[in-house]
Amino acid sequence: AQTVTQSQPEMSVQEAETVTLSCTYDTSESNYYLFWYKQPPSRQMILVIRQEAYKQQNATENRFSVNFQKAAKSFSLKISDSQLGDTAMYFCASRSNSGYALNFGKGTSLLVTP
Amino acid sequence: GAVVSQHPSWVICKSGTSVKIECRSLDFQATTMFWYRQFPKQSLMLMATSNEGSKATYEQGVEKDKFLINHASLTLSTLTVTSAHPEDSSFYICSRTGGMNTEAFFGQGTRLTVV
Repeated sequence: AQTVTQSQPEMSVQEAETVTLSCTYDTSESNYYLFWYKQPPSRQMILVIRQEAYKQQNATENRFSVNFQKAAKSFSLKISDSQLGDTAMYFCASRSNSGYALNFGKGTSLLVTP
Repeated sequence: GAVVSQHPSWVICKSGTSVKIECRSLDFQATTMFWYRQFPKQSLMLMATSNEGSKATYEQGVEKDKFLINHASLTLSTLTVTSAHPEDSSFYICSRTGGMNTEAFFGQGTRLTVV
C-alpha cells in the first residue's frame, strides 16, 4: 500500500513570492507516479504537475517545479512568483504502476495574499 | 475542455430516497473509473473502482449495498446512493485514467445534501 503525508495543513505566501509545499510518501514499489493536484474553491481537481519515479530529472511546469528526492521519498512542490489565483487546496498523490487509483495526502491549504 | 463530465453538480434529497450521480468520459473509452468521497476540508477518499461490464470493487468500510455502482458502457459510470441519510451528505467526485497519460482526470464533483 502507498501512503502520502503532507505535514503542512495551511500555508500563506505573499504575491510574487516563492513557496514550497512538502510531501513525503511511502511505497514498496520500484516504479510509481507522483502528482500534485490543485483544488480551488470551485472544487474542480486540476493537475499541477506529475513525476515518473524512474525519471531523475525534476518535473517543471512554468512557475511550478518539484524537488523529487527518491531515496528520501520526498516530493515537494515549489511555486514561484505566486499569484492570487494560486490560492487553493493542494494535494500530493501517488499512483502505483500496477494500479490506477490515486492515494492522496491530507492536503495543504495555500493562501496567496496581496 | 473537460474530459470527464459529472452530473448533477449539486443535489438535495430527502432522507430515505435514492440519488443517482452520473460520470461520463467524454474523450476516452474508460474500462475503469473511480469514485471518491470528500468531506469538508478533508482529502479525497477512494470509495470504489468501477469496472465496465463487471462488478465494482469497493474499498474497505464502504457499503456496497448503499453505494451502488454501475458501469454499463465504456463512457458512463453511475453511483447511486440508496436510502440516503444525512450522514451521506458529502462531495462525491469521479475520475478516470488510461490511455497514454498516467494522471487522473476528474469530474466537477457532486455536492449531495440529504435533509
